[in-house]
Amino acid sequence: AQKVTQAQTEISVVEKEDVTLDCVYETRDTTYYLFWYKQPPSGELVFLIRRNSFDEQNEISGRYSWNFQKSTSSFNFTITASQVVDSAVYFCALVFQGGGGADGLTFGKGTHLIIQP
Amino acid sequence: GAGVSQSPRYKVTKRGQDVALRCDPISGHVSLYWYRQALGQGPEFLTYFNYEAQQDKSGLPNDRFSAERPEGSISTLTIQRTEQRDSAMYRCASSLESLLAGGGEQYFGPGTRLTVT
Repeated sequence: AQKVTQAQTEISVVEKEDVTLDCVYETRDTTYYLFWYKQPPSGELVFLIRRNSFDEQNEISGRYSWNFQKSTSSFNFTITASQVVDSAVYFCALVFQGGGGADGLTFGKGTHLIIQP
Repeated sequence: GAGVSQSPRYKVTKRGQDVALRCDPISGHVSLYWYRQALGQGPEFLTYFNYEAQQDKSGLPNDRFSAERPEGSISTLTIQRTEQRDSAMYRCASSLESLLAGGGEQYFGPGTRLTVT
């Protein structure tokens, strides 16, 4: 079975601090995709990034960066110089290839990030 | 272009009634997914379609839940004999192709908030 664990239920930091959101996953398959989604207070789910299991390069997009490490089954997300608008619930998700044809995302429980001004 | 739309946005029903939730995916998107999100939790996969074919319904909680996508576009999720535990946000997503076919992004709709009284 596949599983995504986001151990941090809630994180609160002061604006301009850097913050890292942890994501640990479990899957038996060698081919899989990892995702991060943002859910702001308005409730929509906003796609942030997709990474396949064969690409371990870290990625940076503006103030956002992602660290994918297969050796520790982790796909952590860092926000540099956080801003109040970053306040949201962030979900890590996984889909794996193999067995059953299941194609839906398995989500973690989310990390509620609070950026205080 | 238009995103994924869902209707109704809010539905209040009495226990024992049937409800039908509609999803209109992005035009041309092959794959359509249904998720359920309880308060404070990540979305939970229910089922998905490629074109009109239901590929996987392993996530449907029980046989009161069913889904269809008869013409490969609009989909309906039906819950029969609703129970209070069915109360949740029901989200639909679509993608250009299935995640396992190469991924791409799942675009989520705004959801239908179902309350069973």
